[in-house]
Amino acid sequence: EPEVTQTPSHQVTQMGQEVILRCVPISNHLYFYWYRQILGQKVEFLVSFYNNEISEKSEIFDDQFSVERPDGSNFTLKIRSTKLEDSAMYFCASSGPRQGHQPQHFGDGTRLSIL
Amino acid sequence: GENVEQHPSTLSVQEGDSAVIKCTYSDSASNYFPWYKQELGKRPQLIIDIRSNVGEKKDQRIAVTLNKTAKHFSLHITETQPEDSAVYFCAASKATGNQFYFGTGTSLTVIP
Repeated sequence: EPEVTQTPSHQVTQMGQEVILRCVPISNHLYFYWYRQILGQKVEFLVSFYNNEISEKSEIFDDQFSVERPDGSNFTLKIRSTKLEDSAMYFCASSGPRQGHQPQHFGDGTRLSIL
Repeated sequence: GENVEQHPSTLSVQEGDSAVIKCTYSDSASNYFPWYKQELGKRPQLIIDIRSNVGEKKDQRIAVTLNKTAKHFSLHITETQPEDSAVYFCAASKATGNQFYFGTGTSLTVIP
């Protein structure tokens, strides 16, 4: 069964640095998402992406964050000038390609630790 | 925006008993309701979903019921097994490509 893959599995970064989290969605999916989960809390939506543009974003997704689909397979989340509170598990998800509700399939996540 | 509430936050059952987790949502435009199971340190995995044109859906030991009028939906697990122990999240969504609004999760422990 095809899966969403994420790299790295764990990223440790100094506060103020930039990080790029990478995701390879399922190949025939058209909708891509980033979520984050602070330890012990619920999964929170960050952004959705369709047809090479952001379709929806949450209040969390401010100017510090950006997403990109640099080629036909990768989907990246960039966090600039990281803060301690950015420490969390970041999940990429994808869905599609048909019309109508489709379940979102999640990757294994990247655990981001800001020191 | 949508607000999804989930209860209970923790649930312990004896192996073989049933477990029920309940969620409510606030936005009547929500029409898709998936349930995810998340084992410690792993990805959320879809276990069952239901669309608003259906009142109940069953898949072996797992069932979901939806009451659109009351805006609540529930997960039922029968004949629980220790491997059912995990955190379960409900979610609600309005359309394809739209975000999932997740509940706060239920930590289920099945005692052998």
